[in-house]
Amino acid sequence: EVQLVQSGAEVKKPGESLRISCKGSGYSFSRNWITWVRQMPGKGLEWMARIDPSDSYTNYSPSFRGHVTISVDKSISTAYLQWTSLQSSDSAMYYCARLQDLTVAGPDYWGQGTLVTVSS
Amino acid sequence: QSALTQPPSASGSPGQSVTISCTGTSSDVGRYNYVSWFQQHPGKAPKLMIFEVTQRPSGVPDRFSGSKSGNTASLTVSGLQPEDEADYYCSSYGGSNNYVFGSGTKVTVL
Repeated sequence: EVQLVQSGAEVKKPGESLRISCKGSGYSFSRNWITWVRQMPGKGLEWMARIDPSDSYTNYSPSFRGHVTISVDKSISTAYLQWTSLQSSDSAMYYCARLQDLTVAGPDYWGQGTLVTVSS
Repeated sequence: QSALTQPPSASGSPGQSVTISCTGTSSDVGRYNYVSWFQQHPGKAPKLMIFEVTQRPSGVPDRFSGSKSGNTASLTVSGLQPEDEADYYCSSYGGSNNYVFGSGTKVTVL
């Protein structure tokens, strides 16, 4: 069974750094790209970025490029989303998802989400 | 890239059908047959219901069907059931290694 298990909820202050994780299991982790999606409170889904675990090649949405960094450690089947300086506007639920074998077809399996709260 | 346009809400009685539209542009929905639909219950992660415009993943009831005409894709839920009450989001490949999601539609089963 394909599973993506994300790290737990985080509460941070503005300006702090953060890295959240997403561990894949039940499939060959390097075979499928991982993507990250933001959902702000009461709002819709926003595509952030994607990464190829086989070589760590990345693509970012223009809306998020330069503000977040995605990475992967394929030896432990884990993808990461990180911030160096959080802002209150980063408060949201963040989902990782596996892209289908045909990557342009979009995500199929999703993680359970990680809630990030940024507040002074 | 702007979000795809969906109606904020849709509703139907049990057993009825509801259709949700998803309008993009000639650069995304109109150009690629890579439209997906996701169901999201409150407090839960999205679940893939339709991919590549019309394809259903295994385990998704055949009450869910997708279609596309021009720049608009549609999701139809036939024979509405109480558990179909949820938010629904479309998404499309947008070219240049980008994806775009719809604004979301809240489906209410009356």
